[in-house]
Amino acid sequence: GNSVTQMEGPVTLSEEAFLTINCTYTATGYPSLFWYVQYPGEGLQLLLKATKADDKGSNKGFEATYRKETTSFHLEKGSVQVSDSAVYFCALSGTGGFKTIFGAGTRLFVKA
Amino acid sequence: EADIYQTPRYLVIGTGKKITLECSQTMGHDKMYWYQQDPGMELHLIHYSYGVNSTEKGDLSSESTVSRIRTEHFPLTLESARPSHTSQYLCASSRGTSGRASTDTQYFGPGTRLTVL
Repeated sequence: GNSVTQMEGPVTLSEEAFLTINCTYTATGYPSLFWYVQYPGEGLQLLLKATKADDKGSNKGFEATYRKETTSFHLEKGSVQVSDSAVYFCALSGTGGFKTIFGAGTRLFVKA
Repeated sequence: EADIYQTPRYLVIGTGKKITLECSQTMGHDKMYWYQQDPGMELHLIHYSYGVNSTEKGDLSSESTVSRIRTEHFPLTLESARPSHTSQYLCASSRGTSGRASTDTQYFGPGTRLTVL
């Protein structure tokens, strides 16, 4: 079946450090891939997405590239800020089913 | 800016009470969802709807029920709350593409944190 696996957290970084959160997926067909972010006390919100192979999604300094050959969609940011502290979810959808498949979430702490 | 609302934001109630968690969206989205989020953060789909008068159970078995009488409104009801129902409940909606497949973004409400004593 379809699934999403993302690296376990928590991830703790100092401000201005480089961030990578790994995400790999298993899916039939050609899914769309997403990163959602959940700030404390809030619901999830879309961070970025990519709908086909080799597409790069980007937003707020975050980037992720849809790699079909490695079935990956790793999230990166060159210089994190304290305000980036949140939980990040990798997700896929559009493989013929009705629903979005979410990863387990990775909590990020950024220290000043 | 997504326009999806949940009330109440926080609810503490005693065992055996009937409760309804409200969810409304003003985007005209066909598809709506309820998720239960455990303390480990993982999301579990408990109900979804393709449109008015359409509701289905999700992956995680839940004693709750839902209704979809109006496009914008998707309330979740627990007839008799128990401590095991203590959790964060997130409502979401999406525009909905053709058929059952969906590649579009989900918009989430802020959540309701339910505590059953």
